[in-house]
Amino acid sequence: EVELVESGGGLVQPGGSQRLSCAASGFTFSNYWMSWVRQAPGKGPEWVANIKEDGNERYYVDSVKGRFTISRDNAKNSLFLQMNSLRAEDTAVYFCARDGLQAGWFDPWGQGTLVTVSS
Amino acid sequence: DIVMTQSPDSLAVSLGERATINCKSSQSIFSSSNNKDYLAWYQQKPGQPPKLLIYWASTRESGVPDRFSGSGSGTDFTLTISSLQAEDVAVYYCQQYYSSKTFGQGTRLEIK
Repeated sequence: EVELVESGGGLVQPGGSQRLSCAASGFTFSNYWMSWVRQAPGKGPEWVANIKEDGNERYYVDSVKGRFTISRDNAKNSLFLQMNSLRAEDTAVYFCARDGLQAGWFDPWGQGTLVTVSS
Repeated sequence: DIVMTQSPDSLAVSLGERATINCKSSQSIFSSSNNKDYLAWYQQKPGQPPKLLIYWASTRESGVPDRFSGSGSGTDFTLTISSLQAEDVAVYYCQQYYSSKTFGQGTRLEIK
């Protein structure tokens, strides 16, 4: 069974940093692009970043460029999101998601981890 | 950025009746290179992550009941639930993946 499990969320002060992790199982992790998608309370999802199978291409939504870094460790079937200079508007549930093969839908999604940016 | 706009924001339908959700993109998301529309639909129930229902605008994901169908092309798309079941109560989102990836604001579906 394909499974994605996020960890690392919590309460962080504005301007602070947080590192999210996603453990993948049940599929060949190194064969897929992977994404982080966030969802602010009561809002629709927002794609944040994705990374190519080998880690050599990374893309970000404009609002996080220069602050967030996506990475992966294929040997450990793990995906990461380093978040720096956090703002109140970054408060959301962050989901790890597998990209569709050669296409941009998301399936499946993890259960998500909540990041709250507040003083 | 391509903006996705769903209508209505909320919808109440009787059990067994048809539910129709619309999604409009701010520009065409059809590719003539492969004759495909770059659109997906998701279902999200409270406390759960979104679940993929449909991709390429009309291809049903494995395991999704056939009462769910997607249609449309270019800029206008529709998700139809042919006979609403109680378990279909959820928020539904469309998403384009033609240029980057953006979601609609969601449509809340309830039982009348």
